[in-house]
Amino acid sequence: DAGITQSPRHKVTETGTPVTLRCHQTENHRYMYWYRQDPGHGLRLIHYSYGVKDTDKGEVSDGYSVSRSKTEDFLLTLESATSSQTSVYFCASVTGDTSTDTQYFGPGTRLTVL
Amino acid sequence: AQSVAQPEDQVNVAEGNPLTVKCTYSVSGNPYLFWYVQYPNRGLQFLLKYITGDNLVKGSYGFEAEFNKSQTSFHLKKPSALVSDSALYFCAVRPNSGYSTLTFGKGTMLLVSP
Repeated sequence: DAGITQSPRHKVTETGTPVTLRCHQTENHRYMYWYRQDPGHGLRLIHYSYGVKDTDKGEVSDGYSVSRSKTEDFLLTLESATSSQTSVYFCASVTGDTSTDTQYFGPGTRLTVL
Repeated sequence: AQSVAQPEDQVNVAEGNPLTVKCTYSVSGNPYLFWYVQYPNRGLQFLLKYITGDNLVKGSYGFEAEFNKSQTSFHLKKPSALVSDSALYFCAVRPNSGYSTLTFGKGTMLLVSP
């Protein structure tokens, strides 16, 4: 799989605190994505990026912001975490050279908001 | 808007028997279709994709999927199941025009008994 890492892998935080999750890829992929996975919902897109400083909202973007200052890094921030944001978060990337490209996923971050 | 339905939350099959995991989709125009597998506490791994051409697509670990345009389906199949195939399977779709984000189904848990 593509060289995608996520940090931290596990995090427990308190309601109301800010949290930043990091996705790092070494494939020089243009597109990067943040998803959350919840039982009964599958994967839902939070935000995605189609280049440095170019981002757009996904299906469940409320309460989340993202930044991409370098090709290899895509940050997801929860400005003020809530218990409803307890989830497993996955990052993915794809070259974007053609529309047939395959998305490859990172290992995930398990976030618990108490 | 595009959507994916995986009508079965869980599929149970005995080792050595054939397996089918169902997926139907809705998309404007022609689809690109994907199957991913997720093992416990892991990220999603790409299995196979349909882009164009032969309706029977072969992928990793002996899996294959059949694209049926008239039934808007893309069922995942394997002739002989292994216990190690037990995992969560996701179907995903996006239209083949331009570049757009993937939409995932809610997932089907496959349990293969010895």
